[in-house]
Amino acid sequence: DIQMTQSPSSVSASVGDRVTITCRASQGIYSWLAWYQQKPGKAPKLLIYAASTLEGWAPSRFSASGSGTDFTLTISSLQPEDFATYYCQQANSFPRTFGGGTKVEIK
Amino acid sequence: EVQLVESGGGLAQPGGSLRLSCAASGFTFSSHSMNWVRQAPGKGLEWISYISSASGIIYYADSVEGRFTISRDNAKNSLYLQMNSLRDEDTAVYYCARDLDTAMGYFDSWGQGTLVTVSS
Repeated sequence: DIQMTQSPSSVSASVGDRVTITCRASQGIYSWLAWYQQKPGKAPKLLIYAASTLEGWAPSRFSASGSGTDFTLTISSLQPEDFATYYCQQANSFPRTFGGGTKVEIK
Repeated sequence: EVQLVESGGGLAQPGGSLRLSCAASGFTFSSHSMNWVRQAPGKGLEWISYISSASGIIYYADSVEGRFTISRDNAKNSLYLQMNSLRDEDTAVYYCARDLDTAMGYFDSWGQGTLVTVSS
């Protein structure tokens, strides 16, 4: 199985800050990577797929990059509605696997 | 509007069974592969099962293989998860999730989740 490791597990940031989250796969997954945003008590929402393609609802302050084993999600200017937990997930093979999550908290 | 609505969760005893359902609307259900993903209280996301659009391909996570069975009825726009031999560690919110495109593995629509609690 492919293990997905996210870092950091949590980050405290202020509105307007730039935030970067990393995700590492235990083996190469090409660009088969998604990022999800989850707010408390809600279902996750697909944010980015194919490593860098933004879903239609997602603001342009979100961007992502990477291929192979190393990936990043960047929020260029953190907004109040961005405080949430973010998960990466590989779609290269079964079983699909998620990273442990990164909680973005208000500083 | 795409909608996925899970039902069937509740309290079950260890060793017991539950059947979850996911009612789909707002899209051509028979064209999309589907998944079940769960989230234990305060924990991260765990994918547990996949079924292709015509039910020909099915996968399970090791943690549920042999105990859970995924199925679908395209005529009823419904996805199911039969859960047998339940364990304490199966306690979680269970989500059904649609693949963005066949077998792409990106979950672009999710239900609101249904809570399964396994406890004596």
